[in-house]
Amino acid sequence: SAVISQKPSRDICQRGTSLTIQCQVDSQVTMMFWYRQQPGQSLTLIATANQGSEATYESGFVIDKFPISRPNLTFSTLTVSNMSPEDSSIYLCSVLRGSSYEQYFGPGTRLTVT
Amino acid sequence: AQKITQTQPGMFVQEKEAVTLDCTYDTSDPSYGLFWYKQPSSGEMIFLIYQGSYDQQNATEGRYSLNFQKARKSANLVISASQLGDSAMYFCAMRERGSGGSNYKLTFGKGTLLTVNP
Repeated sequence: SAVISQKPSRDICQRGTSLTIQCQVDSQVTMMFWYRQQPGQSLTLIATANQGSEATYESGFVIDKFPISRPNLTFSTLTVSNMSPEDSSIYLCSVLRGSSYEQYFGPGTRLTVT
Repeated sequence: AQKITQTQPGMFVQEKEAVTLDCTYDTSDPSYGLFWYKQPSSGEMIFLIYQGSYDQQNATEGRYSLNFQKARKSANLVISASQLGDSAMYFCAMRERGSGGSNYKLTFGKGTLLTVNP
């Protein structure tokens, strides 16, 4: 398995501000992803974080709203920009290691926007 | 159409009994993977078990087994000897090769809330 940490674990933010979430993995991984889980809902993939290049976004998610960085093989950040109450969710980092099929998730960041 | 369907919003089971959580899926891709995750109230997603579409045998991991019926497109999770700590939300998910966006995208069902009674 992979040990994944996320910072912050939770935050309460004002409307119109931005929050950057960090994801750190204990060893190099092939793929890193960011998922969103809105209250009472299932998980939805936001984007794939690509090392050294722009992230690949899923339909409905754009870089201006969710800029992502991945400077190396163990670290990534997701920024939630110009937040509104609709952005209140759990944001989860997920990783895939090598050719393993097993996909692991971080502990999540619980975001509340007021 | 939903790609992953979990028809049981909630399930109850007595401690030490077995329970089956249902999952059906829809794909035309011959190569795919099926996952089950557990999400306690703390919010973390815990990987439980994986079944590949070409795997001949049903996957097992300790008290978890996956009842894979390919022709019926079902991948039910069986938890044997339920424990109080098994109370959580359980999500079924599928990974397909994909025709756009991420080739490693997991598509999740809506989840089943399992409650284990003492």
